Amino acid sequence: RKEVEQDPGPFNVPEGATVAFNCTYSNSASQSFFWYRQDCRKEPKLLMSVYSSGNEDGRFTAQLNRASQYISLLIRDSKLSDSATYLCVVNTYNFNKFYFGSGTKLNVKP
Amino acid sequence: DTEVTQTPKHLVMGMTNKKSLKCEQHMGHRAMYWYKQKAKKPPELMFVYSYEKLSINESVPSRFSPECPNSSLLNLHLHALQPEDSALYLCASSQDLGAGGETQYFGPGTRLLVL
Repeated sequence: RKEVEQDPGPFNVPEGATVAFNCTYSNSASQSFFWYRQDCRKEPKLLMSVYSSGNEDGRFTAQLNRASQYISLLIRDSKLSDSATYLCVVNTYNFNKFYFGSGTKLNVKP
Repeated sequence: DTEVTQTPKHLVMGMTNKKSLKCEQHMGHRAMYWYKQKAKKPPELMFVYSYEKLSINESVPSRFSPECPNSSLLNLHLHALQPEDSALYLCASSQDLGAGGETQYFGPGTRLLVL
C-alpha cells in the first residue's frame, strides 16, 4: 500500500466552480501535512500547510481528519490560473521522510 | 525570502561524462534534500542532509554522489549516468527535520538529459 494516495484526476471544472481533492495516508504516526502545487515543468511550490484545526487562505481551505487519515483541499471560485497539479505531502518525524502523493491534476476551463 | 537556487537549469551529458549539480540557499536552513522527478510522477527522495551530514540515502546508485560543503550548499556529482537517469533534479531545503521546521522549499530544478 502506498504511503500517500491521491486521485490523479484530471478534474476538469469551469471557472468559478468549487472543487475538492482528498488525499489519504497510511501511517498513523504522520505528523505534518502539506499541499503543494506544481505547474508543468516547474518546481513544486508550497500552497498550504495543513493544521489539525483546519486552515483557510483566501479561496483555499485545507482540512485534516486524523481519525480517517485523510487531508482535503477545497478551492472556491476556481480561476484559470489554478490549473496545475496539486501534490499532497506527508511527513513522519520518526523517519524524517516526506511522502508525496502522485498528484491530482486540475484543469480550470473558461 | 524563501529562495533556493539551482544551477545549471539544463544539462545534457554523455554516459561517460562527469558533471555536478549545485544548489544554494541562504535561509539558514539546516536540512537539504535531493529529489528526482520523472514526467507525470511525483518527486522521489534521493538524499537528505541534516546539519551538513548525510541523514538519508534512499538506496541511490553510486553514480550519484551527494556532497554538502557547508550549510548553504548542496552538490550532486554525476558520473557514468544512464539514459534512464534523465529527469528533473530538484533540491529542497527546510529549517530542520524536526517538528515545526520541516516545511520544504524547492529550487527550480535542473533538467538533465543523458545521451
